[in-house]
Amino acid sequence: ETGVTQSPTHLIKTRGQQVTLRCSSQSGHNTVSWYQQALGQGPQFIFQYYREEENGRGNFPPRFSGLQFPNYSSELNVNALELDDSALYLCASSVEEWVDTQYFGPGTRLTVL
Amino acid sequence: GENVEQHPSTLSVQEGDSAVIKCTYSDSASNYFPWYKQELGKRPQLIIDIRSNVGEKKDQRIAVTLNKTAKHFSLHITETQPEDSAVYFCAASISSSASKIIFGSGTRLSIRP
Repeated sequence: ETGVTQSPTHLIKTRGQQVTLRCSSQSGHNTVSWYQQALGQGPQFIFQYYREEENGRGNFPPRFSGLQFPNYSSELNVNALELDDSALYLCASSVEEWVDTQYFGPGTRLTVL
Repeated sequence: GENVEQHPSTLSVQEGDSAVIKCTYSDSASNYFPWYKQELGKRPQLIIDIRSNVGEKKDQRIAVTLNKTAKHFSLHITETQPEDSAVYFCAASISSSASKIIFGSGTRLSIRP
């Protein structure tokens, strides 16, 4: 197993609510990427944080936002939840932004009712 | 935008036979190509990766080949075993950053006893 952890494991929200998901990167890793994996599909890149700054974004609306903290833990925030936001949310950390090998966390399963 | 296509979506092989999964990518600047195995309810696990300066890489029963000219890469699993049953994802780095990757849609591999 990797040293990347995520919380919570599962979460149920209703449409219109807001949610915060958390990720603790592997020790020494200053880069974290977030992915959304809908059922039966591959992970989709949401955005990446490097040294507390957003460093690239996929095709996701602004209601998906994030933070990275000095200890390199991070958060994914989703506002105005929609039914289609139901998915497994994965974070992955790497040693540096230019280092390609990533280590995935176990994910948070979000269900929006 | 960048795109990774993966085929087949499902694959069933007899135990002991070989399995081959193929992917194509669109961004000619991509230089990192990882393969992940994901078991039901678990995180993606990196099983092998290849970089653009190498044409082939092997790790025990798993091998990956890369054809940069044609922009395609393949995963080969020999002497398949029941524990190889899982969903396999190929991925390619986004040209602007080695640590941002685009995933294929996945191949569900089943090993028949």
